Amino acid sequence: DGGITQSPKYLFRKEGQNVTLSCEQNLNHDAMYWYRQDPGQGLRLIYYSQIVNDFQKGDIAEGYSVSREKKESFPLTVTSAQKNPTAFYLCASTLTGDRLLAKNIQYFGAGTRLSVL
Amino acid sequence: LAKTTQPISMDSYEGQEVNITCSHNNIATNDYITWYQQFPSQGPRFIIQGYKTKVTNEVASLFIPADRKSSTLSLPRVSLSDTAVYYCLVAKGTGGFKTIFGAGTRLFVKA
Repeated sequence: DGGITQSPKYLFRKEGQNVTLSCEQNLNHDAMYWYRQDPGQGLRLIYYSQIVNDFQKGDIAEGYSVSREKKESFPLTVTSAQKNPTAFYLCASTLTGDRLLAKNIQYFGAGTRLSVL
Repeated sequence: LAKTTQPISMDSYEGQEVNITCSHNNIATNDYITWYQQFPSQGPRFIIQGYKTKVTNEVASLFIPADRKSSTLSLPRVSLSDTAVYYCLVAKGTGGFKTIFGAGTRLFVKA
């Protein structure tokens, strides 16, 4: 059953702690994204990756880091430098390339809700 | 990147047709228009996508005028379960590039 799996569903962070959110996809998609969503707000792009071993900052990358060592995986680390990490985090993936019938449709995971203790 | 503007919220009643319009004045030639639906505490899911004219699938229709500076998502005969946030996204068709989701439109369907 293909899809995007985010874990854990809920995560709590202590002051000064780094935490890592997992995102795995078995859709054979090239590109992956991380978004942050605050209550009642839209999605804001944190990082995105078009290909393995390459990633770009989005609009709110400060306090976050990512890696893309495998095509299937795009973990997000929320560092202690992120002073307001409480939010709903969403991972997405998409195919790349010009000759696609479905153009740049993003498929999302179920999300991870991060709270600060 | 094309910026999009949508109404913040809309109300409707069950059984009515709902039209949500999105403005995207600086859309580029190779941009596609995609609409997503999001329920609380879930990830957005794809509804419909188009480049020009009209596209229809089993859940919605998408109307795009010739100048492509706006688009209208049409939901026929909405039900209570259509209460959600709807996002209009304009992005390159090749994928893997920076994308911007706006604030979306919160649709409330009443009985």
